[in-house]
Amino acid sequence: DIQMTQSPSSLSASVGDRVTITCRASQSINKYLNWYQQKPGKAPKILIHVASTLQSGVPSRFSGSGSGTEFTLTISGLQPEDFATYYCQQTYSSPITFGQGTRLEIE
Amino acid sequence: EVRLVESGGDLVQPGGSLRLSCAVSGFTFSSYWMGWVRQAPGKGLEWVANIKEDGSDNRYADFIKGRFTISRDNAKNSLYLQMSSLRAEDTAIYYCASIDWYGSSWFFDSWGQGTLVTVSS
Repeated sequence: DIQMTQSPSSLSASVGDRVTITCRASQSINKYLNWYQQKPGKAPKILIHVASTLQSGVPSRFSGSGSGTEFTLTISGLQPEDFATYYCQQTYSSPITFGQGTRLEIE
Repeated sequence: EVRLVESGGDLVQPGGSLRLSCAVSGFTFSSYWMGWVRQAPGKGLEWVANIKEDGSDNRYADFIKGRFTISRDNAKNSLYLQMSSLRAEDTAIYYCASIDWYGSSWFFDSWGQGTLVTVSS
């Protein structure tokens, strides 16, 4: 199975900050990497697919990059509504696996 | 408006069975792969299973070990997850989600609100 490891597991930031979350795969997954946002008590929401393609309707302050085994999600200019938990997911091979999540909290 | 509404979650004893349903509206259900994802209380997301548009191809997480079966009824716009031999570690919110494709890659696009399964004596 492909293991997905996110770092950090949690981070604190302020409105307006730029933050970066990293996701590492235990083997190459090409660009088969998605990012989701989940708020408490809500279902996840797709933000970015194929490593860097912004899903329709997602603000442009979100961006993704990477390929192979290392990927990043960057939020430029944090907004109050961005404080949530973020998950990466690989769809390169079955079983599909998610990272453990990164909780983004208000500083 | 796209809607996915799960139902069937309940408190069940270890070793018991349960059938989850997901009623879909707002898109052409029969044209989409669908999947189930679960989330144990306070934990992360865990993929459970996917099913092809016509039900001819099913994929499962390793932990299923033959205990769960994903199915669909395109005439009823409904997705199902039949669960048996339930264990305490199956306690989770179960989400159904539609799958969208981007070339050869895919992602979970629309999600339901989830249904809670609790396995306890």
